[in-house]
Amino acid sequence: DAGVIQSPRHEVTEMGQEVTLRCKPISGHDYLFWYRQTMMRGLELLIYFNNNVPIDDSGMPEDRFSAKMPNASFSTLKIQPSEPRDSAVYFCASSFALAGGIGTDTQYFGPGTRLTVL
Amino acid sequence: TQLLEQSPQFLSIQEGENLTVYCNSSSVFSSLQWYRQEPGEGPVLLVTVVTGGEVKKLKRLTFQFGDARKDSSLHITAAQPGDTGLYLCAGALAGGTSYGKLTFGQGTILTVHP
Repeated sequence: DAGVIQSPRHEVTEMGQEVTLRCKPISGHDYLFWYRQTMMRGLELLIYFNNNVPIDDSGMPEDRFSAKMPNASFSTLKIQPSEPRDSAVYFCASSFALAGGIGTDTQYFGPGTRLTVL
Repeated sequence: TQLLEQSPQFLSIQEGENLTVYCNSSSVFSSLQWYRQEPGEGPVLLVTVVTGGEVKKLKRLTFQFGDARKDSSLHITAAQPGDTGLYLCAGALAGGTSYGKLTFGQGTILTVHP
């Protein structure tokens, strides 16, 4: 398997522009997570999906952020309008539920998208 | 306030030295994981511990889960430059309704000098 695929790897944009980050999870995984990583705040969970349905979006910073998962093989994270403080590395990760729903399975992370908002 | 407190935040040592990284919380976790992240890449799982008091070894790395499942430690023996990276602990809260959700610590940046 190719692993989790994210695009673009790097994005530089100007304040006020719309930014769309893309993720293709590992085939067969039914959980998808979006994280943001900065030096100041570390790795923060933004939102996660189970079987394409958003389960917990409490980490989404504000209404400028939105995420969708139209099918099992694709998800987007959109920022509109973008601001300099959104500059960070955004990771997508996927996993599958353990039998019986007990414990926590491995999350497989993509390589991340480094976003710079000028 | 971080749910999982990692210490130290930075660690710079010489090759051959031993080190321990700690991950502490006031909350109980059903499981705890340790990840390692290299520059320009995403975190990669090293180990998962699920039983209080559990000890797992991975070559020169020893992981321990506290008896009360509130804390964990990562010990590296005879560190090598290849161990350099960001180490992250992550836990799944016990009794939580959000299955699959992990809470990450702030991370420990380890640098091992030749």
